[in-house]
Amino acid sequence: AQKITQTQPGMFVQEKEAVTLDCTYDTSDPSYGLFWYKQPSSGEMIFLIYQGSYDQQNATEGRYSLNFQKARKSANLVISASQLGDSAMYFCAMREGPNTGGFKTIFGAGTRLFVKA
Amino acid sequence: DVKVTQSSRYLVKRTGEKVFLECVQDMDHENMFWYRQDPGLGLRLIYFSYDVKMKEKGDIPEGYSVSREKKERFSLILESASTNQTSMYLCASGGTMNTEAFFGQGTRLTVV
Repeated sequence: AQKITQTQPGMFVQEKEAVTLDCTYDTSDPSYGLFWYKQPSSGEMIFLIYQGSYDQQNATEGRYSLNFQKARKSANLVISASQLGDSAMYFCAMREGPNTGGFKTIFGAGTRLFVKA
Repeated sequence: DVKVTQSSRYLVKRTGEKVFLECVQDMDHENMFWYRQDPGLGLRLIYFSYDVKMKEKGDIPEGYSVSREKKERFSLILESASTNQTSMYLCASGGTMNTEAFFGQGTRLTVV
């Protein structure tokens, strides 16, 4: 069954340091996509980065990179040079399909990141 | 500018009422989703739809139904609201396998 696990309910990081947020997934579908979203206290969901299951290289978007280890089924988010504005909830998500016609997308429980000045 | 709009930001309903949550997108997306968000549980998929009149159950469909009569509109229906359905409800729409989903602003539903 499709599953996403984020084992860190909360993380602290010092401003300007790098931080890694963990995400493991489980799927039997060879074709899938992995996403990370940020949810600040305002509640909006902000897309950060995408990795496809067939992509050979790790995805990067500015200060965000995705450490994709396919054999271990992990897709960790690395934030470099943390900023105070990075304090937020972070969600890992996986999309499979189409199986019955649509792209089922599920999310993990999230990790709350606190950036300290 | 892409937009997913949920009809209400806050709703208070009584136990047993039939509740409609509406979501409209302007991006011509085929895929639309309804999630509920609860602390410590993240976002849990209730239902999704990949075309007009087509729907699939997510992980927690019990107590909910959906309707998609037009491509741009996806409605979540609570047939008989219960207090354990008090939650934040998020609608999203997304195009294809490798494109991100866009979210509405959320509806905080309280059932009393």
